[in-house]
Amino acid sequence: QVQLVQSGAEVKNPGSSVKVSCTASGGTFTNYAINWVRQAPGQGLEWMGSIIPILSLENYAQKFQGRVTLTADRSMRTAYMELRSLKSDDTAVFYCARGLVAGRTILEMDVWGKGTTVSVYS
Amino acid sequence: DIQMTQSPSSLSASVGDRVTITCRASQGISNSLAWYHHKPGNAPKLLLHAASRLQSGVPPRFSGSSSGTDFTLTISSLQPEDFATYYCQQYYISPPTFGQGTKVEIK
Repeated sequence: QVQLVQSGAEVKNPGSSVKVSCTASGGTFTNYAINWVRQAPGQGLEWMGSIIPILSLENYAQKFQGRVTLTADRSMRTAYMELRSLKSDDTAVFYCARGLVAGRTILEMDVWGKGTTVSVYS
Repeated sequence: DIQMTQSPSSLSASVGDRVTITCRASQGISNSLAWYHHKPGNAPKLLLHAASRLQSGVPPRFSGSSSGTDFTLTISSLQPEDFATYYCQQYYISPPTFGQGTKVEIK
């Protein structure tokens, strides 16, 4: 059974960038999408964007457009989320989640990583 | 964007209780709705998809139903491991959007 293993916690200064990885252990995410979801302290889940590597298709939430880039390596085992121009209110737990795909539509998120905590302060 | 409104935002219940959580979509989403269970420090877990289809490995005490733009998650007999926050999420139209969550606490 595929598990998603995320990179470790990060502490960043305002204005810097962070790149979080998500590796499929026990398989690949070929034919799936990888979503990125943020949870700020005390808040709910917020979708940031998704990538369907096999289609080279990316989709970003308007809120993060221009500040986030999603990529995946050619082996279809590791996906990355880079968030730039970090602010203190970017402090959050970032989750990757595998999404089933029907055509170009992403369905439910059936496998999630445990999350990566990113803390932003000067 | 489609707004998903969950109610209640929190509830207190005892082991063995029947619990119902509702989620209302701001427009029609067919049955393109998922429910997730989330405990702090853990990965969120998919419980149901397509509004009422139980994800493999999820106990049958969890069930889902729908009526128009209203969706319901029911836990027939609450177990200790069920105390968590529950989220609905629509995937009918991008961007996918989540409800604000319902925290189920021990009474």
